[in-house]
Amino acid sequence: GQNIDQPTEMTATEGAIVQINCTYQTSGFNGLFWYQQHAGEAPTFLSYNVLDGLEEKGRFSSFLSRSKGYSYLLLKELQMKDSASYLCAVRASRFMDSSYKLIFGSGTRLLVRP
Amino acid sequence: EAQVTQNPRYLITVTGKKLTVTCSQNMNHEYMSWYRQDPGLGLRQIYYSMNVEVTDKGDVPEGYKVSRKEKRNFPLILESPSPNQTSLYFCASSSGGTDIYEQYFGPGTRLTVT
Repeated sequence: GQNIDQPTEMTATEGAIVQINCTYQTSGFNGLFWYQQHAGEAPTFLSYNVLDGLEEKGRFSSFLSRSKGYSYLLLKELQMKDSASYLCAVRASRFMDSSYKLIFGSGTRLLVRP
Repeated sequence: EAQVTQNPRYLITVTGKKLTVTCSQNMNHEYMSWYRQDPGLGLRQIYYSMNVEVTDKGDVPEGYKVSRKEKRNFPLILESPSPNQTSLYFCASSSGGTDIYEQYFGPGTRLTVT
C-alpha cells in the first residue's frame, strides 16, 4: 500500500534549526514535495526532490534517500512566521503510464516560540 | 495574475441536494486535481486530470464526479452529498509531465453538509 508518516507536532525556538522527517512507502515513486500551509490557507510549494541528496533553497533545505524511503525538511534561522503545517507529498506514477497522483502525509504542525 | 480560483468559498447544504464546486486556472496547466482535507487525515486526492477529457480516480473518489471539457476548468460534482463529505476542499493545477512542476492550490472551499 501507500503510506507516508510525519510527526504530528513539533516545537522550536526562534532563530534555531528544526528538522521535520518524512518516511514513505509507495510504488512508482517519482518525486517528493514539501509544502507549507498556514492555518486557514492553501498549501504553498517549498521544495522538490527526485534524486538522492540535499536541495538547498535559502533558509529551507530538503533531503531525500530513496533507498530508505526517507526525506527531511530543514528549516534554519527560524522565524515566527514559520509557524505552520509542513506537508510531505510523494508523486506516484503508474507503470508504463505517464499518469501520476500525489499522496500527502498528514502534515507536521510546527510552533515557533520566541 | 497567475491563480487558481474556486467557487463558492463557503457552502452549507443539506443531504442529497446536488452541488457543484467550480475550479478554474489561468496558467494553461495540463494537470488539475481535487483534494479534501480533514483533521488528522491530511490532504487526500479525490480525482485528477492529466489533460482535457482525461480524468482518473485518486484515493477517495466515492461520492464525487468530475469532468474536464476545457483545459482551464475542472468542476467537482457531488450528486447526492452526505454529512461525511463535510470537509475543506482544494483544487490544484500544475504543468504536465513528471518534472519538477509544483502544484498551485486554490483558496479552498469549506463545505458543510447537514
